[in-house]
Amino acid sequence: KNQVEQSPQSLIILEGKNCTLQCNYTVSPFSNLRWYKQDTGRGPVSLTIMTFSENTKSNGRYTATLDADTKQSSLHITASQLSDSASYICVVGPNDMRFGAGTRLTVKP
Amino acid sequence: DAGITQSPRHKVTETGTPVTLRCHQTENHRYMYWYRQDPGHGLRLIHYSYGVKDTDKGEVSDGYSVSRSKTEDFLLTLESATSSQTSVYFCAISRTGDTQYFGPGTRLLVL
Repeated sequence: KNQVEQSPQSLIILEGKNCTLQCNYTVSPFSNLRWYKQDTGRGPVSLTIMTFSENTKSNGRYTATLDADTKQSSLHITASQLSDSASYICVVGPNDMRFGAGTRLTVKP
Repeated sequence: DAGITQSPRHKVTETGTPVTLRCHQTENHRYMYWYRQDPGHGLRLIHYSYGVKDTDKGEVSDGYSVSRSKTEDFLLTLESATSSQTSVYFCAISRTGDTQYFGPGTRLLVL
């Protein structure tokens, strides 16, 4: 069983709307949690990284939250743009990182 | 892509053929990684390196070997390719073992 579960698998929203992506993990020990954005045909690019002591981390219109007690994280995207269409990947752990399968986000005009 | 190149970018080969993928970096980062990405599985670590000639196995290392004779190059070899190794392969680098920077990927098709 994957130690990092993401939901939903895919999501379609209209441009300008907000959305929230979820990540639940069972990875232990836990060191940090990262969100990556992967455009089609390209490698992932880091959006945020949080340690267990951080609850929120923002990067422009992207805000990640972390609840280390419940082992849940979310990525909130505000005022979506067409360029936000991509896969968003949650990654948990120290050096031996576990990757979620990703959420495929499509932003339509 | 943070000074990382992968070659080839696309390859079609036959079962049983040896295949070598190359990852080259110009960032002088200590850590280098090879991942494979398959639908529904997310990225999975094959092997990684924490210095020249220092490598270790990842989650899915069976059927793969690696070598790192120079800081800038990390080679992934499939000694005898199988259809189950059809995938997209990503190289990544990291200065401290923390945030990783990924290359553009190599699409490998094993017929």
